[in-house]
Amino acid sequence: AQSVTQLDSQVPVFEEAPVELRCNYSSSVSVYLFWYVQYPNQGLQLLLKYLSGSTLVKGINGFEAEFNKSQTSFHLRKPSVHISDTAEYFCAVSGNNAGNMLTFGGGTRLMVKP
Amino acid sequence: DGGITQSPKYLFRKEGQNVTLSCEQNLNHDAMYWYRQDPGQGLRLIYYSQIVNDFQKGDIAEGYSVSREKKESFPLTVTSAQKNPTAFYLCASKWGGGRGNEQFFGPGTRLTVL
Repeated sequence: AQSVTQLDSQVPVFEEAPVELRCNYSSSVSVYLFWYVQYPNQGLQLLLKYLSGSTLVKGINGFEAEFNKSQTSFHLRKPSVHISDTAEYFCAVSGNNAGNMLTFGGGTRLMVKP
Repeated sequence: DGGITQSPKYLFRKEGQNVTLSCEQNLNHDAMYWYRQDPGQGLRLIYYSQIVNDFQKGDIAEGYSVSREKKESFPLTVTSAQKNPTAFYLCASKWGGGRGNEQFFGPGTRLTVL
């Protein structure tokens, strides 16, 4: 079985400040990790993914994430946020289950304030 | 333009009625998925299909049914047996069976039971 925990349900931050959205996972097998973003009343869009290789992964819109196997974490970071980054962010893991299903965390709402 | 379409965007249903949500993709993807999204609970898998004429139950299949008669289409029926159907429903698709492949999401259908 696999699970994903997003430790913060909401993260308020001022514009141009750095931000980190935390994600921890548990799995008995090697995993692939994903971050998705959802703008209000829309579907999800892939920000970045980790499959193998370098543990620092760069994605779209200036986001990056670091895979830490020993801490079973995949935290998302951005050095300077914009108002337009206000959205919900989901961490997901794909393990070795039937159908290679994605398991999602509960989401973190990023609220960027002027 | 390739993508996933879901219709309608908003749907209202009276208690005791069945209702069908449409999902169509022109990405030539083999696998398709239905998720339910409730505030603070992330995405939960309802049904998935990896090939035409075959589908599997996800974590919360009770009160839902699907069909996969064509590769492009994966409609979801919310039956009267679903006790709490008010939610945001998301359809997704993925190319191939690899667990590192990205899932692409539609814009969602918001279902409200009156």
